[in-house]
Amino acid sequence: EIVMTQSPATLSVSPGERATLSCRASQSVNSNLAWYQQKPGQAPRLLIYGASTRATGIPARFSGSGSGTEFILTISSLQSEDFAVYYCQQYNTRDTFGPGTKVDIK
Amino acid sequence: QVQLVQSGAEVKKPGASVKVSCKASGYTFTTYGISWVRQAPGQGLEWMGWISAYNGNTNYPQKLQGRVTMTTDTSTSTAYMELRSLRSDDTAVYYCAKMGSSTSVFKSADWFDPWGQGTLVTVSS
Repeated sequence: EIVMTQSPATLSVSPGERATLSCRASQSVNSNLAWYQQKPGQAPRLLIYGASTRATGIPARFSGSGSGTEFILTISSLQSEDFAVYYCQQYNTRDTFGPGTKVDIK
Repeated sequence: QVQLVQSGAEVKKPGASVKVSCKASGYTFTTYGISWVRQAPGQGLEWMGWISAYNGNTNYPQKLQGRVTMTTDTSTSTAYMELRSLRSDDTAVYYCAKMGSSTSVFKSADWFDPWGQGTLVTVSS
């Protein structure tokens, strides 16, 4: 099974600042990597698939990069509605999720 | 718009079974796969398996083999997930999700979009 890790576990950021979240796979997943945002009491929402393609309706301040085993989600200027937990998911071999990064207000 | 609407919360005793439904609308049901994901309280996301809405093929992780069954009813565009021999650590919110690409009718690995609203299953004596 491909194991996904995410860092940091918690990221404290001020509104308007840039946030950089990391995701690492235990073996190559090519570009078969997605990012999700989850707010308390809500279902996850797809942000990015194919490592760098924004899902429909996702603002341009969200961007994804990477391939193979190392991936980055960047939120260029954090808005109040962006404080949430972010999960990465590989879908190269079955589906596995990372443990999540919580982005909270500094 | 594409929407998945799940059945309501359930409370079950250890050893019982639960069956959660997921009704899809806004797209042709048989052209995408459906996956199920669960989330224990305060925890992360765990993939529970996939079903092709095209041909009914399934794929489950080894951890749940023998306890989980996923089915579809194409006449009502509804997917079902049944989990048997429930334990306290099965307490979780259970989500269905439409898979992202049309190739998901043939392969179990894909991104998920959108997700259902979630169904809380509580296992308690």
